[in-house]
Amino acid sequence: KAGVTQTPRYLIKTRGQQVTLSCSPISGHRSVSWYQQTPGQGLQFLFEYFSETQRNKGNFPGRFSGRQFSNSRSEMNVSTLELGDSALYLCASSLASPGRGTSPLHFGNGTRLTVT
Amino acid sequence: KNEVEQSPQNLTAQEGEFITINCSYSVGISALHWLQQHPGGGIVSLFMLSSGKKKHGRLIATINIQEKHSSLHITASHPRDSAVYICAVWDGEYGNKLVFGAGTILRVKS
Repeated sequence: KAGVTQTPRYLIKTRGQQVTLSCSPISGHRSVSWYQQTPGQGLQFLFEYFSETQRNKGNFPGRFSGRQFSNSRSEMNVSTLELGDSALYLCASSLASPGRGTSPLHFGNGTRLTVT
Repeated sequence: KNEVEQSPQNLTAQEGEFITINCSYSVGISALHWLQQHPGGGIVSLFMLSSGKKKHGRLIATINIQEKHSSLHITASHPRDSAVYICAVWDGEYGNKLVFGAGTILRVKS
């Protein structure tokens, strides 16, 4: 069974630009969640989608948005990029909404975004 | 005060030693995860707990809901166990937000 696939692996953008990251979950998984990891803040929860609906959201500005398609693939968009958005962005999929404590998380390898 | 506190921050052990990493949290939770991250970024979910104890190979995870504390134990540690171990909790009765600890950097020397 294929794992969680994130594309692209690496991305370099300039301040003010926008970026879209993609996450393909494990087949059959309906929940996709996104995370930001930086050396200063560690791992932080961005949001979770389940059956095309945003279920939960972390404490990030509105520049960070996402969506989930009917095939459960998810995209994350960051608009008006800032230097501080440079980070490793990870997504994870699970069978059910993982917050219920019934489904483990399966992580992708991440997209490393550098903003110059 | 952070919602999730891990200790120790850094840990160096000799191969074969018994290792314990601790996680304390201050919020009500629906579930707790132990994650392992190797250099390069890939994260593997080791355990998901909402009560009691789980064992997988040389790894054991326990949780005490009343004391808001969880431990990850590694028996007969090996250099391949060297990684960052991260505790994360789903905040709230219905798991509204995943909150991460800062991680424990483990190095096992041969």
